[in-house]
Formats: sequence, structure tokens, C-alpha cells
Amino acid sequence: DAGITQSPRYKITETGRQVTLMCHQTWSHSYMFWYRQDLGHGLRLIYYSAAADITDKGEVPDGYVVSRSKTENFPLTLESATRSQTSVYFCASRDRRDTGELFFGEGSRLTVL
Amino acid sequence: GESVGLHLPTLSVQEGDNSIINCAYSNSASDYFIWYKQESGKGPQFIIDIRSNMDKRQGQRVTVLLNKTVKHLSLQIAATQPGDSAVYFCAENSGPAREGAGGTSYGKLTFGQGTILTVHP
Repeated sequence: DAGITQSPRYKITETGRQVTLMCHQTWSHSYMFWYRQDLGHGLRLIYYSAAADITDKGEVPDGYVVSRSKTENFPLTLESATRSQTSVYFCASRDRRDTGELFFGEGSRLTVL
Repeated sequence: GESVGLHLPTLSVQEGDNSIINCAYSNSASDYFIWYKQESGKGPQFIIDIRSNMDKRQGQRVTVLLNKTVKHLSLQIAATQPGDSAVYFCAENSGPAREGAGGTSYGKLTFGQGTILTVHP
């Protein structure tokens, strides 16, 4: 089915390990985003991408790395996971129009022990 | 810093009543506002949006009101149903996307904290 999918949906890891969260969209949207959602903070932007090979930092980029070699994929990597990165991560996408409507994935719940 | 906030973190209503969820924003330059609904275990879903050149927009059972004078946004849900129970987020777009020489910035979307709406049968 067309849409935006994230994997894994649930992940438990240990401090210091590398973790990659995958995001795939089938709409050929130019813009893709990674947010984290925490109680008391709402949704905060980690990184975004305007097109393949173009990425930029959001509000809370420290400790994360992204890449966008293909338009449809936007993986998020935690190079050395910390407990403070325990969160629910949402990937989102939109087309090139100058509106803010985002289409979100179902989320990836990450627990760092 | 500029932020979007909510007056009420929780709202409980009876089925059939109308619900009003409020949101305050601080960036007078914001030109576009969106309401999202997030059900438990799912990603946010778009409900309705409004541009700053409007003060009211209606959808199916939902109405968004924008008061730029006091920087206030509200979402009204008519005849609230149990399926409306969710967390509702407002978001503001604080500027147009800019693309040009080296420029890839997008219209910055800032989310509020969210309001939990509970509908009792």
C-alpha cells in the first residue's frame, strides 16, 4: 500500500549501541522529516530533508545522523545511543507545496537501557 | 523563543456535546496553522488547516477559528463522538519555505504540547 512506513516499530537497545530507524514513503514527496515525541515536549524536529542528498538540522539534532541517498528513504541513525534518546520517533513527509501539512508514519518506539 | 502552547492539557466531554480545544501562539509572523489528531499508538493525522488571511474555516464536524489580534487558535468539534478521543495538537508554520542558492529551508512547523480529549459515552 502507498504511504509512509517506519521500521522497526519497537526497539530496545543498550547505551552506546548504534541504532538505525528506517523510513520509507511511496508518494515521491520531496520533503521528509524526523521528529521525536516526549511527554512535556510535544513533537520536536530532529532533522529534515528537502530532497535527495539535501539534509538539514532541526531543533534537536545532537546525537543523530541522517542520510537521503534516495527520495523515498530517510533513515535516522543514533550513532551511540543514550538513555535520553528513549522516545517515540516519527517520520513525516510532504510535497513541495508551501504548506505545512505533513503525513506521518506510525512511529518507532525506542527504549535505551 | 517562539512557541505554540495550549491553554488546557485535558478536556473531558460527554458524547454528543461540542468540544472546544484552544491554542495560543506567539509568532505574529506565522501564516499557516494546522490541527492534528493523534490516537494512541499512531502518528498524528491532519484534521484541518487555516491560513492567516482567514479567521474561520469549516470541515466535517470541525471548525477552526483564528484570532490574530490575540494570537489564538481554536478547534471546535461538533457532536463529539467516542472516536474523537485522542490528543489534539495545533501547529504553526512560521514562514514560507525558501529555496535558492544553497537554500533548502522549509516552512518551519512548530507543534504545541497537545490536549487530551476524552469523550464519555
